[in-house]
Amino acid sequence: DVKVTQSSRYLVKRTGEKVFLECVQDMDHENMFWYRQDPGLGLRLIYFSYDVKMKEKGDIPEGYSVSREKKERFSLILESASTNQTSMYLCASSAPQGAYGYTFGSGTRLTVV
Amino acid sequence: RKEVEQDPGPFNVPEGATVAFNCTYSNSASQSFFWYRQDCRKEPKLLMSVYSSGNEDGRFTAQLNRASQYISLLIRDSKLSDSATYLCVVWTVMDTGRRALTFGSGTRLQVQP
Repeated sequence: DVKVTQSSRYLVKRTGEKVFLECVQDMDHENMFWYRQDPGLGLRLIYFSYDVKMKEKGDIPEGYSVSREKKERFSLILESASTNQTSMYLCASSAPQGAYGYTFGSGTRLTVV
Repeated sequence: RKEVEQDPGPFNVPEGATVAFNCTYSNSASQSFFWYRQDCRKEPKLLMSVYSSGNEDGRFTAQLNRASQYISLLIRDSKLSDSATYLCVVWTVMDTGRRALTFGSGTRLQVQP
C-alpha cells in the first residue's frame, strides 16, 4: 500500500511565523498535492507538483509556497502564518495518470494564534 | 458555480435503509470520477471509482451520466459503520495541462440504530 506520511498531526503556531509542513510518500509517485480542508468549503487545492523541482499553483496559492527537492518529499511553506490559515492540511500523491485516485496523508491540523 | 456540487446533508437514516447521494460536475472535460469516504477527523479514502457503465462493490453502487454530468452513489442495507462524509470527486485534464482531482464539499451520512 502507498503510504503518505505528514510530519505533524497537530501544530499551533503564532501569527507571522514561518511554518513548514512536510509530506513524504514511499511509492515513487510523480504527482504530489497539497490541499486544505475547511467546513463548508471542502478540499481546495493549494499547490501541486508533477516532478522533482516542478510546482504549479492550485486554486488558492496565496500566502503559501512549496518545495520539491526530492521525488518523495513535498513541503508546504506558510511564509508568514495568519489566522485565516488555520485549517486542516492534507497532502496526497498519485501515479501520473491520476485515474486511480489519490492516497492522502492523515492530515495536519494547524492552528494559528 | 462550484465545479463539483453535492447536497451537504446530513442524511439521517435507520440501519438497513437504502440511501442515495447525488453529485453534479460542471466541467465536461472531466475524465475520471470517484467516490471518497471521510470519517470524522480523518483523511479521505478512496471508496470506489465510477464507470460509465455503472459499477457495484458489495452494497455500494455507483452510476455516471456523462450527458447530464451527474454521478450517484447508492448504499443498500446501511450499517452503522457507513456513517461518514461521502465526497464526490472528479479528475480533469485542462487545456493548460493541469490535471488534478476536484472535490465536492461532501454529503454527511448518519446511520441510526
